[in-house]
Amino acid sequence: EVQLVESGGGLVQPGGSLRLSCAASGFTFSDHHMDWVRQAPGKGLEWVGRSKDKIRSYTTEYGASVRARFTISRDDSKNSLYLQMNSLKIEDTAVYFCVRVSSPGGHDAFDVWGQGTMVTVSS
Amino acid sequence: AIQVTQSPSSLSASVGDRVTITCRASQGIGNDLGWYQQKPGKAPTLLISAASSLQSGVPSRFSGSGSGTDFTLTISSLQPEDFATYYCLQDYTYPLTFGGGTKVEI
Repeated sequence: EVQLVESGGGLVQPGGSLRLSCAASGFTFSDHHMDWVRQAPGKGLEWVGRSKDKIRSYTTEYGASVRARFTISRDDSKNSLYLQMNSLKIEDTAVYFCVRVSSPGGHDAFDVWGQGTMVTVSS
Repeated sequence: AIQVTQSPSSLSASVGDRVTITCRASQGIGNDLGWYQQKPGKAPTLLISAASSLQSGVPSRFSGSGSGTDFTLTISSLQPEDFATYYCLQDYTYPLTFGGGTKVEI
């Protein structure tokens, strides 16, 4: 069964740091781009960033609101994706989803989503 | 960054209705757009990629069309399980951007 399971969420003070993890199973992890998407309470979806696949040398891309504060990494030997969040702001409060990207015909499809992990930034 | 404007932000409909949701990109994105459904408290699920390619297992009452800047998601005959929030996502260029969402209510 293809599955993504996030962990590491919790309560953190403004300016603090947190590391999220995503454990993948049921597919060849290195063949896929892996993304993070977040959703603030009662709000819409926001793309956070991407770790590209092995063929593309695991390069990363980020959304403007998190660039320079967040870092995405992966360990293919552990089938795991990570999101290191530094200098956290109140507006980073959200559910964070780990997402598998498939690319049929060169078009991205966010075809597998984790259940999400909640991050609350508050003093 | 490419802005994606989704409309309407919400709509009321009845079972059996034909429903249309629109996304407009701030610049041409070819057919690099997908549609996602999200139910309360759940992760989104993929409906359509590449503007019109129906994901395996998604009912045929869902269809997508468009290219360039204007895209449409159509539900031909709304079913009770379709009441949810729908999002479009452009994957033409980084940063990827979602539309603001459309909540489909009874």
